[in-house]
Amino acid sequence: SQTIHQWPATLVQPVGSPLSLECTVEGTSNPNLYWYRQAAGRGLQLLFYSIGIDQISSEVPQNLSASRPQDRQFILSSKKLLLSDSGFYLCAWSSGAGPTNTEAFFGQGTRLTVV
Amino acid sequence: EDQVTQSPEALRLQEGESSSLNCSYTVSGLRGLFWYRQDPGKGPEFLFTLYSAGEEKEKERLKATLTKKESFLHITAPKPEDSATYLCAVQAAWGYQKVTFGTGTKLQVIP
Repeated sequence: SQTIHQWPATLVQPVGSPLSLECTVEGTSNPNLYWYRQAAGRGLQLLFYSIGIDQISSEVPQNLSASRPQDRQFILSSKKLLLSDSGFYLCAWSSGAGPTNTEAFFGQGTRLTVV
Repeated sequence: EDQVTQSPEALRLQEGESSSLNCSYTVSGLRGLFWYRQDPGKGPEFLFTLYSAGEEKEKERLKATLTKKESFLHITAPKPEDSATYLCAVQAAWGYQKVTFGTGTKLQVIP
């Protein structure tokens, strides 16, 4: 069966420090991968999605970047964190086999607090 | 632009008191509508995918239905362990990587 791992679970970082959140998927090949941010009272906001290695699409211009160095590894980064980057970050995957199997499966999330 | 509106924002039920959650959507051609359950501090857990109007799916005490403009999540005889936030999301037919989420309904079931 497929599993998704996301770490760390919680993170407190000072303003201006770098960020690296990692996500890996097991049990599937060539998945679509996603990074979402969830703010209180707001829906999940799609930040980045990837349909393959080194193929990243950005949905919202911001202080963050994403990379996919391996088929089942997705990394969210920032060079200098802002207070507004605080939030709950979620990694997700969906089948890359075709558009009919499109439901996404989420990791357990990372609570990021920028201080 | 695709939009998803969920109502009510919060719902408090007595154990055994059945009710429905609503998800109204606007999308330029629906590829799929998804329901998720999210517990506090956790990632969303997938429940159902609905593809076309008239489709229904069930899982334990939950039943999801779909019309051309909205979806309902019916909860029959809920238990305290059903307490969670329920999220609805839609995927447009034209861009299958993009999913738009609603803000959710927070359900509390009281023993």
